[in-house]
Amino acid sequence: NAGVTQTPKFRILKIGQSMTLQCAQDMNHNYMYWYRQDPGMGLKLIYYSVGAGITDKGEVPNGYNVSRSTTEYFPLRLELAAPSQTSVYFCASRLTSGGDTGELFFGEGSRLTVL
Amino acid sequence: DAKTTQPPSMDCAEGRAANLPCNHSTISGNEYVYWYRQIHSQGPQYIIHGLKNNETNEMASLIITEDRKSSTLILPHATLRDTAVYYCIVRASYGGSQGNLIFGKGTKLSVKP
Repeated sequence: NAGVTQTPKFRILKIGQSMTLQCAQDMNHNYMYWYRQDPGMGLKLIYYSVGAGITDKGEVPNGYNVSRSTTEYFPLRLELAAPSQTSVYFCASRLTSGGDTGELFFGEGSRLTVL
Repeated sequence: DAKTTQPPSMDCAEGRAANLPCNHSTISGNEYVYWYRQIHSQGPQYIIHGLKNNETNEMASLIITEDRKSSTLILPHATLRDTAVYYCIVRASYGGSQGNLIFGKGTKLSVKP
């Protein structure tokens, strides 16, 4: 299993541009999450999904959109990028059936800079 | 906001036990205590979790006080590779938003030779 795969690993955007951060997991996990981490800070939850077709806001959803058309993929869309969105973005997944330990599996992160 | 309080930083000598404290005085009866760590800029890594009883796995031990208002993560023989930020998180046992992990700033553990 590859686990949780994020692309791209690095990206520089200009203010006002849009882009999509990709996240894929091959563990058949039903829950998926997007977090952002600013320098020196903990992770903040942006959006999460409890299964295909179901998404919900986290702590800091403004400026982002998500979709979950399949179990495997959970892309994060940035519309009209702003410097405040410069951050490292982490995707994670979790299995809640068959004995949920609550353990989250994280990707390696996508480092985004908005100039 | 995170429901836990951790010291911002700690040092530990290589080969010695690292004891990382966490206060969670408002923890509810159905909330678990989770520990994750983040090495440099990598994604966080699960370490251990517990509800009431002390827990041990190949990575660490988790000691939870009887009143459940605090806990301690113990790395029995710290190595340089254990240098990381350690997050203590309380999480409800059920799904939806209440089952989400909310990260604070954690404790930066520096293991020194």
